[in-house]
Amino acid sequence: NAGVTQTPKFRVLKTGQSMTLLCAQDMNHEYMYWYRQDPGMGLRLIHYSVGEGTTAKGEVPDGYNVSRLKKQNFLLGLESAAPSQTSVYFCASSEDRKGNQPQHFGDGTRLSIL
Amino acid sequence: RKEVEQDPGPFNVPEGATVAFNCTYSNSASQSFFWYRQDCRKEPKLLMSVYSSGNEDGRFTAQLNRASQYISLLIRDSKLSDSATYLCVVCNNAGNMLTFGGGTRLMVKP
Repeated sequence: NAGVTQTPKFRVLKTGQSMTLLCAQDMNHEYMYWYRQDPGMGLRLIHYSVGEGTTAKGEVPDGYNVSRLKKQNFLLGLESAAPSQTSVYFCASSEDRKGNQPQHFGDGTRLSIL
Repeated sequence: RKEVEQDPGPFNVPEGATVAFNCTYSNSASQSFFWYRQDCRKEPKLLMSVYSSGNEDGRFTAQLNRASQYISLLIRDSKLSDSATYLCVVCNNAGNMLTFGGGTRLMVKP
């Protein structure tokens, strides 16, 4: 059982380049999330999705776009990468919207923007 | 003020010690509370939920004080394997968004 899988695991980009991070979950979860984690900041929610075809902004959405065309996949896009987007990105999923459902995290993607 | 605040530590304790972490949250309407554990360069993993009546899971005890808006995590008989960062997590009243604290780093020494 793979759980939540993120690709790629590492990436170095130049300022202005674009890329897409892929998150896939095999648990049939409705909710999916993208976070970024920076030193001393904890995890901050970028965007989330409550189901296939839906997306919503989180705490720090600027500079990112997302899509949820299939229930099992949640894509995070950077259209024009900036050094401030250097971070570790975590994808997570949960079964439903109830607060007592734990979120399952992927291994993370370490992204450096030069 | 951050929504969820934690002392970043590190807390350096010897094996066998008891250690406690506190976490404060600003939104009085927050619905649920959790402690996650994150090992170095790994993803966060749920350690335990925090219930109003307090709850225990082996060596770990979590408590919630809604009046003072803080939650705590107590670890008894610390093991080397407890060394990690502990993240305090608060769920909003809509039940659809988690807010993470910055984490408290624990280092258990032999």
